[in-house]
Amino acid sequence: AQSVTQLGSHVSVSEGALVLLRCNYSSSVPPYLFWYVQYPNQGLQLLLKYTSAATLVKGINGFEAEFKKSETSFHLTKPSAHMSDAAEYFCAVGAQGGSEKLVFGKGTKLTVNP
Amino acid sequence: EAGVVQSPRYKIIEKKQPVAFWCNPISGHNTLYWYLQNLGQGPELLIRYENEEAVDDSQLPKDRFSAERLKGVDSTLKIQPAELGDSAVYLCASSRGEFGDTQYFGPGTRLTVL
Repeated sequence: AQSVTQLGSHVSVSEGALVLLRCNYSSSVPPYLFWYVQYPNQGLQLLLKYTSAATLVKGINGFEAEFKKSETSFHLTKPSAHMSDAAEYFCAVGAQGGSEKLVFGKGTKLTVNP
Repeated sequence: EAGVVQSPRYKIIEKKQPVAFWCNPISGHNTLYWYLQNLGQGPELLIRYENEEAVDDSQLPKDRFSAERLKGVDSTLKIQPAELGDSAVYLCASSRGEFGDTQYFGPGTRLTVL
């Protein structure tokens, strides 16, 4: 079974500051890992995903995440926050070789202050 | 390429009334998912279809929820009768059906049960 823990339900940063959103996963088999972003009253949009290729994954809008097996982590980062990054971010895990079911974390709401 | 289409976007009903949600996936996507998203939570899978077959409905409350995907394209999710606790956002997603494929989400239907 898979599970995801997102540390911090709310994160606040200043515009131009580093964004770091934390995700730890649990999986009994090699995982697929995803980060999605959700803007108000919208569905989820894929930011990036890890599928066992490069451990450093680059996504859209300047975001990237690094898969660290030893730490069971897949933290999301962006060097410089922009006001438009304010949204809710969800980490999700799927099982390689298993079903396509994704298990989502509870989300982290990012606020960007001017 | 058109995205996942859902309707209605918003629905307000009295408790004990029936309600239905409709989803049209991305063309060519064989796999369709219905997720439930409660306020402040990540999406939770209700049911997954591969073509017209429901392959994972273990989380669907079958006493009041039903779903169908006739002809393996559009899908309808129904609740009868609705309860106050069903107030949530119902998300539809689709994918090509390969392991690790991205799931593309629709905008969701926000249901309010009074």
